Amino acid sequence: GAVVSQHPSWVICKSGTSVKIECRSLDFQATTMFWYRQFPKQSLMLMATSNEGSKATYEQGVEKDKFLINHASLTLSTLTVTSAHPEDSSFYICSARRGFEKLFFGSGTQLSVL
Amino acid sequence: TQLLEQSPQFLSIQEGENLTVYCNSSSVFSSLQWYRQEPGEGPVLLVTVVTGGEVKKLKRLTFQFGDARKDSSLHITAAQPGDTGLYLCAGDPGGNQFYFGTGTSLTVIP
Repeated sequence: GAVVSQHPSWVICKSGTSVKIECRSLDFQATTMFWYRQFPKQSLMLMATSNEGSKATYEQGVEKDKFLINHASLTLSTLTVTSAHPEDSSFYICSARRGFEKLFFGSGTQLSVL
Repeated sequence: TQLLEQSPQFLSIQEGENLTVYCNSSSVFSSLQWYRQEPGEGPVLLVTVVTGGEVKKLKRLTFQFGDARKDSSLHITAAQPGDTGLYLCAGDPGGNQFYFGTGTSLTVIP
């Protein structure tokens, strides 16, 4: 089956630094990628929808200047958490979709901001 | 406001009991999916329901899609400790977005 690689799996950073998370579709071209945020024992909250070559569409309440999304190719999307603060600590998951087929998920990134 | 509301939010039952999880929305979905997620991992797809009124079975799990394609249910028969996890419904209401339900955290006690 299709594979989506997300890197890093976990990251610890100091408050005020920026962190980049990569999401790659390894064996298919992803026309759309989604970024989610998840707190413990809660559901996945859609942050933004990213289409290759165009600006990401952010959900209401998500700061686009805080969470920078780049989808420069059909196999790579990145999420950069700028000037991270402890409240940004969370589990971030990406997913990739080819056309309107089912979604394939990355394994997630646990971000801890000290 | 969540697009997909699940109930109950938390459920703790004894091994061997039956349970039902509900997923409700005011929006119509062309399809709905159910996932199960373990802590620290991505969600794993269990089933996709497409047709209104459709019923799908996966071993002890039975999934139903509402006639109006606005709601779905997951029924587990004779729950096992291995069924413990976070159950999520999800779907695309149109517009190429994909939303998850509020989630149901299930604990099956041996």
